[in-house]
Amino acid sequence: EAQVTQNPRYLITVTGKKLTVTCSQNMNHEYMSWYRQDPGLGLRQIYYSMNVEVTDKGDVPEGYKVSRKEKRNFPLILESPSPNQTSLYFCASSFLGAYGYTFGSGTRLTVV
Amino acid sequence: QKEVEQNSGPLSVPEGAIASLNCTYSDRGSQSFFWYRQYSGKSPELIMSIYSNGDKEDGRFTAQLNKASQYVSLLIRDSQPSDSATYLCATKRDDKIIFGKGTRLHILP
Repeated sequence: EAQVTQNPRYLITVTGKKLTVTCSQNMNHEYMSWYRQDPGLGLRQIYYSMNVEVTDKGDVPEGYKVSRKEKRNFPLILESPSPNQTSLYFCASSFLGAYGYTFGSGTRLTVV
Repeated sequence: QKEVEQNSGPLSVPEGAIASLNCTYSDRGSQSFFWYRQYSGKSPELIMSIYSNGDKEDGRFTAQLNKASQYVSLLIRDSQPSDSATYLCATKRDDKIIFGKGTRLHILP
């Protein structure tokens, strides 16, 4: 089954404790992206990657890091999480970024 | 000016009627346009994509694009209660994909 797999689904952590949210896709998509979704603000792009070793900032990259060492994986790293990063996070992938996304199931992150 | 604008709703439509959802975008460089459906607590699901002016039909769904007026619309014919969801409009500008905040649609049984 073609899918984007995110883990974990739920995460509660404390301020300053580094965490990684994993994302993997099995569709051989070049384009992968991370979004956060907040009430009243909608989906906002954090980072995206056009291909292996190619990443770029979206609209809200502050406080986040990503890497793309393999085509299938695109982890999101929060090196020092803060409460304002409490949000619902989605990973998504697309063929060349031109044909619409397949989204992962989401990760609900709470930073206390 | 917001890049992608949608009326937040809720838009209430009787079952069996046509639901009309609208979206405007600010950047004339936008190249591709998408409609996603998102049920509460779930991830967005792609339902339509459109790339050129005019209409594109897929089952009960029709997407309409007018680049001169910078708007995209989604029509849902024969609306069903299962169509009740938030509908997200998105555009591709350069390498970024930008979403509107979504319109909540409520189909009245």
